[in-house]
Amino acid sequence: SQQGEEDPQALSIQEGENATMNCSYKTSINNLQWYRQNSGRGLVHLILIRSNEREKHSGRLRVTLDTSKKSSSLLITASRAADTASYFCATVYGGATNKLIFGTGTLLAVQP
Amino acid sequence: GAVVSQHPSWVICKSGTSVKIECRSLDFQATTMFWYRQFPKQSLMLMATSNEGSKATYEQGVEKDKFLINHASLTLSTLTVTSAHPEDSSFYICSAEGQASGAYNEQFFGPGTRLTVL
Repeated sequence: SQQGEEDPQALSIQEGENATMNCSYKTSINNLQWYRQNSGRGLVHLILIRSNEREKHSGRLRVTLDTSKKSSSLLITASRAADTASYFCATVYGGATNKLIFGTGTLLAVQP
Repeated sequence: GAVVSQHPSWVICKSGTSVKIECRSLDFQATTMFWYRQFPKQSLMLMATSNEGSKATYEQGVEKDKFLINHASLTLSTLTVTSAHPEDSSFYICSAEGQASGAYNEQFFGPGTRLTVL
């Protein structure tokens, strides 16, 4: 299976703290994306980082990519209760179609 | 912009019946749509890639005769779960590929359809 793995599987923090989630993948990629999913809902695209980029910021989000280690991390700074959700990384391997292969996900709970 | 809808949002059916789920791109045309399945507390697993005007491409282990996909127009793809059984109960999510900056076409996700088979 090409599915990536994320750790931790679950993370519980207090409001205001930072949350870091890690993603590892298996083969060379074109880009890596992070998504958020609230319970029982669809996915919200957070950020995309290309294979030739090492770091990207968007608001309170910071994503890093290390292609030599085949890993990425998502940092959410100054977390809020509304950040409570599942977070998934997804990789695009390219080829004829841009198929997304999702990681196993991290369930983040931010306690008010 | 780039809104994708799914209908119905949830459905309950009896074992043995067929269920059709629609995925529509509301404000853009999508040559390619994708269908995913998500079991409780698990990740999304790609089932198939749907291309307008041609046959869908199924991922390994997905039965094409059980999960019928039709992409008849640039804004509509349908997934029909034939002869549904309780083990088909899941959250089905579609995405539509649209234009974005650079070479990569971003996928826009629908809100999902919760299928429960009794």
